[in-house]
Order: sequence, then C-alpha cells, then structure tokens
Amino acid sequence: QVQLQESGPGLVKPSQTLSLTCTVSGGSIAGDGYYCSWIRQHPGKGLEWIGYIYYSGTTYYNPSLKSRVTISVDTSKNQFSLKLSSVTVADTAVYYCANRGNSGSDAPFDIWGQGTVVTVSS
Amino acid sequence: SYVLTQPPSVSVAPGMTARITCGGNSIGTKSVHWYQQKPGQAPVLVIYYDTDRPSGIPERFSGSNSGNTATLTISRVEAGDEADYYCQVWDSRSDHYVFGTGTKVTVL
Repeated sequence: QVQLQESGPGLVKPSQTLSLTCTVSGGSIAGDGYYCSWIRQHPGKGLEWIGYIYYSGTTYYNPSLKSRVTISVDTSKNQFSLKLSSVTVADTAVYYCANRGNSGSDAPFDIWGQGTVVTVSS
Repeated sequence: SYVLTQPPSVSVAPGMTARITCGGNSIGTKSVHWYQQKPGQAPVLVIYYDTDRPSGIPERFSGSNSGNTATLTISRVEAGDEADYYCQVWDSRSDHYVFGTGTKVTVL
C-alpha cells in the first residue's frame, strides 16, 4: 500500500525559505509514474493546490504562488520536495503531499500524506 | 480563475439524506472529485469522476454533475459522516487544480 509522509521544519522565520520533503513508500515515483503534488490548508480554511511534479521533472504551479515555488523530485530516494521562498505569516498552514492519479490531467488526488504544520513566525 | 462555490454548512438528522452542492461555470463539462476531511486528518477521496466510488467508500455516498452544479449525496447519514467536504476540478484553461470552498456537514 502506497504511503506518503511529509517532513521538514515546523517553524520558519519570515522572509526565509520553507523546505519540505515527501517520502513515498510502498511504490516507486518513477516506476509507477507518479504525479506528486503539494497542497496546503490555512488554519480553519479550505484547500489550496500549490503545484505538482511528474517523475520526469515536468512541473506545474499555481499561478498565485509560481514566483516563489520550486518543486523537485529525487527518484533515487523516492522523494519529492517543496521550496517556498520569501515566506510571510500568510504561508502558515498545514502542508500536504498527495499523489494525483496518472489517468489524465483531470485525475483525482487519490493518496495523501498526513500533513505537516508549518508556522511562519519570528 | 475558475471558482467553485459550496454552501458553508449543511445540517442533517441521522438516517436522512444530505446533499452538498458545488457550483461552477459549466462544471458539467468537467470531472469533479469529492473529498471528506475529518478534524485533524488529511482529506480522503470519496467520489471521483463525478460518480465513481473508491473501494472502501460506502454506497451511501454518490455523486452527480450537470450544468453548473455538481452534487455529493450522502444517504442514510450516520454520525461518522460529520466532516468537511470539498469538491475539486482541474481547470484546463489555467492548467491548475481548484478546490471548492468546503462544506461542513453536521449530524444533528
């Protein structure tokens, strides 16, 4: 059974870069053709898609965050990562990694990590 | 950008039927997915491609999509169905994924 697990600092200072990693177990990012996404949820709010990466390195980002987001993949470690630069308190959220199915661009997010809380504060 | 609008809350008595709407411009032409999120937990896919149910999701959960509204229906509601529900589509025009505003289902 495929599982995703987020990891990274829970506290980031304003203006710094938020860095998170998602480790995939029970499956292969490259072998199974994963589309690995990052999604966040501000406290008490709804879900916001940040972006995704295909194992080949192709990326798509939410236009509202594109200038600050970098998503990368390390197939040798079966991990993908999120970097969000110049963070502010508005970036405080629960960050989820999720796998989008490979049946097409309109496939659902069928596997989610448990989420990791990131607080931006000095 | 594409916007999906859901009612903030729906209340339903146990055993009754809950209907959660998701409004969007010509949403009937898109594939809609629905997620259930309980407090402190990650979202779980409950309906995909408008009407399909993942394995393990009760038959009480069903979906429809037409015109400008998609609907998630929960029949014979149970206390364990109390959660937030989100619809989601892929917007081909902007090439990104959009979630609805979310609906809190309260079981009375």
